[in-house]
Amino acid sequence: QEQLVESGGGVVQPGTSLRLSCAASGFTFNNYAMHWVRQAPGKGLEWVAVVWYDGKDKEYVGSVKGRFTISRDNSKNTLYLQMNSLRAEDTAVYYCARRQNTDDFDIWGQGTLVTVSS
Amino acid sequence: QSALTQPASVSGSPGQSITISCTGTSSDVGNYNLVSWYQQRPGKAPKLIIYEGNKRPSGVSNRFSASKSGNTASLTISGLQAEDEADYYCCSYAGFTTWLFGGGTKLTVL
Repeated sequence: QEQLVESGGGVVQPGTSLRLSCAASGFTFNNYAMHWVRQAPGKGLEWVAVVWYDGKDKEYVGSVKGRFTISRDNSKNTLYLQMNSLRAEDTAVYYCARRQNTDDFDIWGQGTLVTVSS
Repeated sequence: QSALTQPASVSGSPGQSITISCTGTSSDVGNYNLVSWYQQRPGKAPKLIIYEGNKRPSGVSNRFSASKSGNTASLTISGLQAEDEADYYCCSYAGFTTWLFGGGTKLTVL
């Protein structure tokens, strides 16, 4: 069955780095653009980043530009989010999600919690 | 870009219908027929319930429907059931390969 499984979350100090991974299975990974979406505790969803099929084209929400890098390894069916210079306001559950051609998110992972705190 | 505007909460009794609005701008909701809606139960990942404005994925109840007028999209849930109690989020493509979510609406079934 089509599935996304995130990993790599944890508790880190401000200014440090963390890399999240999202393992895809059950579908042809390189046929889909992939997203990261986050949700701060008790808050709403926020789109974070997208990477297109071959990994060359990417886009980010303004608040993470220059600090986060989305990437993918199609040979490993895995999506990544490298997060540098982390701030307290980056604390959230991070979800990976698959993009359909109708520009929505049809498959979601279970999420991984990132806590930035001193 | 600011988040799309949704009411913080709505409520209804079993069997009733409720509507959740989602207001954006002419750069997002009003410019594209690409609004989607998500249901999120506590501690769970969001689930797609409406895509491309008014289409339902396979397996989603036909009690869920959606529409759009100008810069405002709406989700209607008819025949409310206890299991519909959840948070609901709208999302719109916003151009330049970016997406915007609404702030979310908590639905309480009385």
